[in-house]
Amino acid sequence: ETGVTQSPTHLIKTRGQQVTLRCSSQSGHNTVSWYQQALGQGPQFIFQYYREEENGRGNFPPRFSGLQFPNYSSELNVNALELDDSALYLCASSLPTPSGQREQFFGPGTRLTVL
Amino acid sequence: RKEVEQDPGPFNVPEGATVAFNCTYSNSASQSFFWYRQDCRKEPKLLMSVYSSGNEDGRFTAQLNRASQYISLLIRDSKLSDSATYLCVVGGGSYIPTFGRGTSLIVHP
Repeated sequence: ETGVTQSPTHLIKTRGQQVTLRCSSQSGHNTVSWYQQALGQGPQFIFQYYREEENGRGNFPPRFSGLQFPNYSSELNVNALELDDSALYLCASSLPTPSGQREQFFGPGTRLTVL
Repeated sequence: RKEVEQDPGPFNVPEGATVAFNCTYSNSASQSFFWYRQDCRKEPKLLMSVYSSGNEDGRFTAQLNRASQYISLLIRDSKLSDSATYLCVVGGGSYIPTFGRGTSLIVHP
């Protein structure tokens, strides 16, 4: 177990609705990243938060937004849901290693279905 | 050209075989490299970081070839439990990590 938790585990929404996904990072990890993984694809980077500030963003529209809290937990918000938003949403927490590499540890994910 | 490319496979090998995967990347400024393992409908789990000098962890060996811009993963003495999808991850200087789509490995008796 990585110590990264996500909620809920599954969610069903309809087009146009809004959704909030939650993530608690591994103890001491100050960086949280969110990914979208469609079936048969690798995870796609949405954005990363470091000390409550967005610190990098992938190619996702503004209706994907997030927050990080002082305890380093995080939320991903998606507005105006579209059918193509159906995917596994993964949260990963990380801390730089002495070598400078940033090893990420993933939570179990939230499976979102948009009908 | 995609930023990170992997052969999706599947690689179908017998127990005990040695199997190798490559992952090519397009951004020559990339600085961070990793291999993750993902079981069906589960989250990715870190398998190993890939260092310039290469690294080994038991039956697993990872190599980085900067000149040709690829990383490799070698699995020796394959076990049934090695069956999974293997994802490579490449990060740039600002560390926006890019995952490949994964290579599927099936180890059969």
